[in-house]
Amino acid sequence: TQLLEQSPQFLSIQEGENLTVYCNSSSVFSSLQWYRQEPGEGPVLLVTVVTGGEVKKLKRLTFQFGDARKDSSLHITAAQPGDTGLYLCAGADDYKLSFGAGTTVTVRA
Amino acid sequence: DVKVTQSSRYLVKRTGEKVFLECVQDMDHENMFWYRQDPGLGLRLIYFSYDVKMKEKGDIPEGYSVSREKKERFSLILESASTNQTSMYLCASSSGRRAGRKDTQYFGPGTRLTVL
Repeated sequence: TQLLEQSPQFLSIQEGENLTVYCNSSSVFSSLQWYRQEPGEGPVLLVTVVTGGEVKKLKRLTFQFGDARKDSSLHITAAQPGDTGLYLCAGADDYKLSFGAGTTVTVRA
Repeated sequence: DVKVTQSSRYLVKRTGEKVFLECVQDMDHENMFWYRQDPGLGLRLIYFSYDVKMKEKGDIPEGYSVSREKKERFSLILESASTNQTSMYLCASSSGRRAGRKDTQYFGPGTRLTVL
């Protein structure tokens, strides 16, 4: 059973469109991280959110941590082909991270 | 730049063989992790280590063992490989005791293992 549920599983959009990926859990985490993984590579950290209600922006990417620290969202504005990849959320619990199954995002030129 | 390297990108083994996957990090990190990644299941933690010679079971340790004799090296061992262990194996390292704000996990490129 996945501790973190990500939706949707797949997302295919045209360049210039916006998209949102969701990460939901019944557990409270001390922090939540978002990673992006490109084919043939390991995941790379994009952001860590720690405080309930926190919003962080990374260029065209906006990350939000729910007030109860159980859920998070990633919004991409004006997506570009370079945003294509597998987006993974991970909840932190002391040493360990618990990962969602990921959302595969494809941005068509 | 943090670098985590894994000994092989692709590996093909036969059922029953003993398999060693090696991981080396060059940032003097205390924590090291082994995950397997399967479509639709995300990353699942097999084992982790927070110090030399220390190891802790993750969520799916059955059929695996690990070794950490030196700080920079963490090995994953499949004692007798089975077809259901065909997967992408990812190694990661991090500096601190607590995952979170100050603790980023840095991943290697992965080893795609096929067991025939």
